[in-house]
Amino acid sequence: ELKVEQNPLFLSMQEGKNYTIYCNYSTTSDRLYWYRQDPGKSLESLFVLLSNGAVKQEGRLMASLDTKARLSTLHITAAVHDLSATYFCAVENTDKLIFGTGTRLQVFP
Amino acid sequence: NAGVTQTPKFQVLKTGQSMTLQCAQDMNHNSMYWYRQDPGMGLRLIYYSASEGTTDKGEVPNGYNVSRLNKREFSLRLESAAPSQTSVYFCASSEAQANQPQHFGDGTRLSIL
Repeated sequence: ELKVEQNPLFLSMQEGKNYTIYCNYSTTSDRLYWYRQDPGKSLESLFVLLSNGAVKQEGRLMASLDTKARLSTLHITAAVHDLSATYFCAVENTDKLIFGTGTRLQVFP
Repeated sequence: NAGVTQTPKFQVLKTGQSMTLQCAQDMNHNSMYWYRQDPGMGLRLIYYSASEGTTDKGEVPNGYNVSRLNKREFSLRLESAAPSQTSVYFCASSEAQANQPQHFGDGTRLSIL
């Protein structure tokens, strides 16, 4: 059974600082997705990572995938308040997505 | 630019009542999904439909039924609601190719008393 773990579960960080969210999964998969969810809202797709070594960047966020280590990271550079949200990773397994429990990010001045 | 549309947005039911949650997508996607989201547990797949006419169980199917009415619509039914089914329900759709993200609706907030 595929399990997906994220850490930390909660992250409070100061504006301008850098930090990394980790997503570990338990069985082989070559496809991993990152989503963002604002409170009370739907999920928005951020990144699609399709192969070992994949790296994608959008603004202050950069995601990477290491399929051998079964690890994906979401790196936040120089955080701003607008990045406050919950971030989910999701691993594809036989056409289904298994989601992590999410990392709630709070950025304060 | 509707994407995935869910109705209703909010609903309160009494234990034992039945209800159908509706979902429609206008992106011509083959695959559709129903998830529930509970605090601290992320999203869990209830049922999915890889194409019109097919449905399969996900992680937590007990207490639910689904119907893929046509390519656009995928409904979720609670036959006899229980308080444990209080949750936020999300519908999603995606292209058949495996390298496309799922697109989510705005969710249905369901409370069962």
